[in-house]
Amino acid sequence: GQQLNQSPQSMFIQEGEDVSMNCTSSSIFNTWLWYKQDPGEGPVLLIALYKAGELTSNGRLTAQFGITRKDSFLNISASIPSDVGIYFCMYSGGGADGLTFGKGTHLIIQP
Amino acid sequence: KAGVTQTPRYLIKTRGQQVTLSCSPISGHRSVSWYQQTPGQGLQFLFEYFSETQRNKGNFPGRFSGRQFSNSRSEMNVSTLELGDSALYLCASSSQRDHGYTFGSGTRLTVV
Repeated sequence: GQQLNQSPQSMFIQEGEDVSMNCTSSSIFNTWLWYKQDPGEGPVLLIALYKAGELTSNGRLTAQFGITRKDSFLNISASIPSDVGIYFCMYSGGGADGLTFGKGTHLIIQP
Repeated sequence: KAGVTQTPRYLIKTRGQQVTLSCSPISGHRSVSWYQQTPGQGLQFLFEYFSETQRNKGNFPGRFSGRQFSNSRSEMNVSTLELGDSALYLCASSSQRDHGYTFGSGTRLTVV
């Protein structure tokens, strides 16, 4: 199946700092989706990207679909305590790939 | 608009038993997919159903099966449970592939 490499695995930051995480793939994708998962809950869709080069914002979140269509990044500005959680990149394909997720970035905010 | 509902939320089973998990998608969504989430392997795709037909299947053994009913509700079944099947099982529904999937809160299965 497809390989999604997500980094960093975890981030320890101070409240108010900006955050950046990214995903790279071994193949060209047509869709990048970014999700956040809170403890004990299912992932929630944050941003969906459909075109190479597309830059999309959702409040303090900004995500971009790389020009090569093999990467994407997610930025969070001015982090707040409720941003804590696991962030996943995801692509949707067919066959045994189904929905393929990155391993996730654990975001921890230190007071 | 109600979200994706998974039942039960928590389940404890013994090795060798079988289990059935249920997922009710968002009204109007015809695609339902299932995932297994473990600390070691992350989120892994199990299978996807659309209009009662299995459309895709991940790389899981035949002990994992599923089905979808005419009202789009879906069930997944795991037979002959193993300790390694302990995980959070998530289902997600969508009205159209690639346009975002809405996840349920999951069923936490513990096999002892």
